[in-house]
Amino acid sequence: GQQVMQIPQYQHVQEGEDFTTYCNSSTTLSNIQWYKQRPGGHPVFLIQLVKSGEVKKQKRLTFQFGEAKKNSSLHITATQTTDVGTYFCAREDGGSQGNLIFGKGTKLSVKP
Amino acid sequence: DTGVSQDPRHKITKRGQNVTFRCDPISEHNRLYWYRQTLGQGPEFLTYFQNEAQLEKSRLLSDRFSAERPKGSFSTLEIQRTEQGDSAMYLCASSLWEDNQPQHFGDGTRLSIL
Repeated sequence: GQQVMQIPQYQHVQEGEDFTTYCNSSTTLSNIQWYKQRPGGHPVFLIQLVKSGEVKKQKRLTFQFGEAKKNSSLHITATQTTDVGTYFCAREDGGSQGNLIFGKGTKLSVKP
Repeated sequence: DTGVSQDPRHKITKRGQNVTFRCDPISEHNRLYWYRQTLGQGPEFLTYFQNEAQLEKSRLLSDRFSAERPKGSFSTLEIQRTEQGDSAMYLCASSLWEDNQPQHFGDGTRLSIL
């Protein structure tokens, strides 16, 4: 299956600043999932986006799915030190049943 | 819901030895996945079970790797004749049988090959 490309690879922000990570695919996605992995931890599911142009919010996190269903973004407003970790987007492998293809992730560090 | 449990948490072994890891999924989850993660990378799919049936295996997966889920509950992943390149975090995840269900990951087994 096609990879999903994530940018940036690293992001260092001051606490209180906003943060955005982008996920891009060369092919149309049926859906996109976002996971967060804390340092030393395991990936934890955040959200799934399915519909074209979909926007979902979880407190300070805003997730968007592009109109063409080829890109997605995660925006965090007013970052906190608890937001530290690596954020992965993941797509389902075409023709399979739920196997995920993960991007390389964006590693977020927050300076207090 | 006790979450996905993996054992051991860490395994250090010499090159050429065989290792086996165990995963206990969330009890009502039919689907079980194995992934491998190396530093700075996202998890990479290895294989997947629905109940006891192994439905898919990555083309990148060496013949030295084998996985089982004999009773549709826990699963084991065995690596024979380990190599340096096998050093990684091995993650297990489980989900409900419906499509588009989130996957719940365990804490992983970190394998180090000396």
